[in-house]
Amino acid sequence: EVQLVESGGVVVQPGGSLRLSCAASGFTFDDYTMHWVRQAPGKGLEWVSLISWDGGSTYYADSVKGRFTISRDNSKNSLYLQMNSLRTEDTALYYCAKDIFPVRFGAYGMDVWGQGTTVTVSS
Amino acid sequence: EIVLTQSPGTLSLSPGERATLSCRASQSVSSSYLAWYQQKPGQAPRLLIYGASSRATGIPDRFSGSGSGTDFTLTISRLEPEDFAVYYCQQYGSSPPSTFGQGTRLEIK
Repeated sequence: EVQLVESGGVVVQPGGSLRLSCAASGFTFDDYTMHWVRQAPGKGLEWVSLISWDGGSTYYADSVKGRFTISRDNSKNSLYLQMNSLRTEDTALYYCAKDIFPVRFGAYGMDVWGQGTTVTVSS
Repeated sequence: EIVLTQSPGTLSLSPGERATLSCRASQSVSSSYLAWYQQKPGQAPRLLIYGASSRATGIPDRFSGSGSGTDFTLTISRLEPEDFAVYYCQQYGSSPPSTFGQGTRLEIK
């Protein structure tokens, strides 16, 4: 079964740091571009970041650029999101998602999603 | 930044009716990089359409996508009870590389 499972979401104070993880199974992880997408409570989807299959290329939304770092460990079938200088507006459910086409860099469509992990930034 | 504007914000229809959802981009978007998603309460989004018009695996043929340039449409030909949800379009392009529309809520009339 193709599956993504996120973890690492907690309550953290403004200015704090956090690392989210996403464990992949059921597909050839190192063939695919991977994404992080977030959803604030009661709001729409916000794309956060993507990373190429080999980790060599990354992109970020302007709202997180310079504060968040996406990475992957293909030997562990895992995706990560290092979140620094957290703000209250970063409070959201964070999803990891797999892009649809192997060995293509971009956002063609996210066909597999995890269940999400909740990050709350509050004092 | 490419801004995607979805309309209407809320669409009220009955089962069996046809639904037409619009996604308009502030700049031209390559059709290869336009996708549509469905999200139900408490669930992760589900990919419906990629490449503006290609149905994802397992998506019923009552869902279809069309459009090019700055205007894209998701059509649901005959609404089933399970189709009432929130729908998002997404594009990939220049800076930042990807954005979502704000969503259209499809509710039962």
